[in-house]
Amino acid sequence: DAKTTQPPSMDCAEGRAANLPCNHSTISGNEYVYWYRQIHSQGPQYIIHGLKNNETNEMASLIITEDRKSSTLILPHATLRDTAVYYCIVRVALGTGGSARQLTFGSGTQLTVLP
Amino acid sequence: GAVVSQHPSRVICKSGTSVKIECRSLDFQATTMFWYRQFPKQSLMLMATSNEGSKATYEQGVEKDKFLINHASLTLSTLTVTSAHPEDSSFYICSAPDILYGYTFGSGTRLTVV
Repeated sequence: DAKTTQPPSMDCAEGRAANLPCNHSTISGNEYVYWYRQIHSQGPQYIIHGLKNNETNEMASLIITEDRKSSTLILPHATLRDTAVYYCIVRVALGTGGSARQLTFGSGTQLTVLP
Repeated sequence: GAVVSQHPSRVICKSGTSVKIECRSLDFQATTMFWYRQFPKQSLMLMATSNEGSKATYEQGVEKDKFLINHASLTLSTLTVTSAHPEDSSFYICSAPDILYGYTFGSGTRLTVV
């Protein structure tokens, strides 16, 4: 799986957009970008994933650069409950040949939403 | 969506005793279950992978005789920490992959060994 680089921490004002960057310069053509978050003392929660097109769901938007070497997770209107560690993970999609492999977590970005 | 139910959410046990953690897939069949451990202010580290009906595979440095994993059915995987010691105190999380729902995580178990 491609290695990812994220800033260790970020702050965001409540109600403003939170933009979390991720670098994945060694990403392969068949690898997706996944975003998960972990609120303190809870299991990780899926947010969004994408291959090369920008994606949006009820939680967030994912912007992937044209060369796919970096991406940005956008929380459009951050709330205090969005305070969590956000993980950017790059890997092939489930079902892509062979048995399932685990998600490998890096250090992530600690997002703190400030009142 | 897929749900993995993990119990207990927190447990305190005496040193030398054993603790069992259960993870159940509620609306899908989990042929594979990943078990992670997370120490304070650190990321999740994979401990072992269990597959239904076969022996679990352990990551390097994880004692298989200490962390017993059973995956006897498609909806239940258990992790038993045997002869627990204070250094085993950690946050344990299970995760099951599903082609339709992706990776689903349990809510975690906070183990404190006193």
